[in-house]
Amino acid sequence: AQSVSQHNHHVILSEAASLELGCNYSYGGTVNLFWYVQYPGQHLQLLLKYFSGDPLVKGIKGFEAEFIKSKFSFNLRKPSVQWSDTAEYFCAVGSGGYQKVTFGIGTKLQVIP
Amino acid sequence: NAGVMQNPRHLVRRRGQEARLRCSPMKGHSHVYWYRQLPEEGLKFMVYLQKENIIDESGMPKERFSAEFPKEGPSILRIQQVVRGDSAAYFCASSIRQGVGRTDTQYFGPGTRLTVL
Repeated sequence: AQSVSQHNHHVILSEAASLELGCNYSYGGTVNLFWYVQYPGQHLQLLLKYFSGDPLVKGIKGFEAEFIKSKFSFNLRKPSVQWSDTAEYFCAVGSGGYQKVTFGIGTKLQVIP
Repeated sequence: NAGVMQNPRHLVRRRGQEARLRCSPMKGHSHVYWYRQLPEEGLKFMVYLQKENIIDESGMPKERFSAEFPKEGPSILRIQQVVRGDSAAYFCASSIRQGVGRTDTQYFGPGTRLTVL
């Protein structure tokens, strides 16, 4: 069975600080990886996804993530956060070809102006 | 192009009543997923359906919970005889097949917040 671990449950940053949110998964086969964001009171929105190819994936709003197969990781990064990035971020993994997706517990990011 | 629609957005039930949550997928999407979100627990997969078929219900509680996705109309998550522990946000997602060997990208609805008194 696949599982996803998000290391930081709460992160507080000042505006313009750099962000890195950790995500590790456990699954030995082909994986498809996702980061979703949930702004306060809203539904989950897709930030970016990795299926294959270039392990550095660029998403919306200046976010990117790097798939490191040897470390079973898919960390989310942003060079300079804004107050509007305050939200909860979820990492998710699906095994290639199988549609059940497993979500991490989420990381709440608070950006202080 | 409407996204995934869920209704009601908020639902209040007393213990023992039934709750019916509806989900209309994005246009052209034939796959629907239901998740439950509890505070500090993230999203938990419940069930995956295609039109008229339940594909994977491994996350559904064995009793009181059922789901359907009929040929016509929205997908329904039904909770019978609700208890306080059923209070949560229930999210629906839909997808379109990406092809063999890939996990479909799921697009989420706004959720239904169920409160059981």
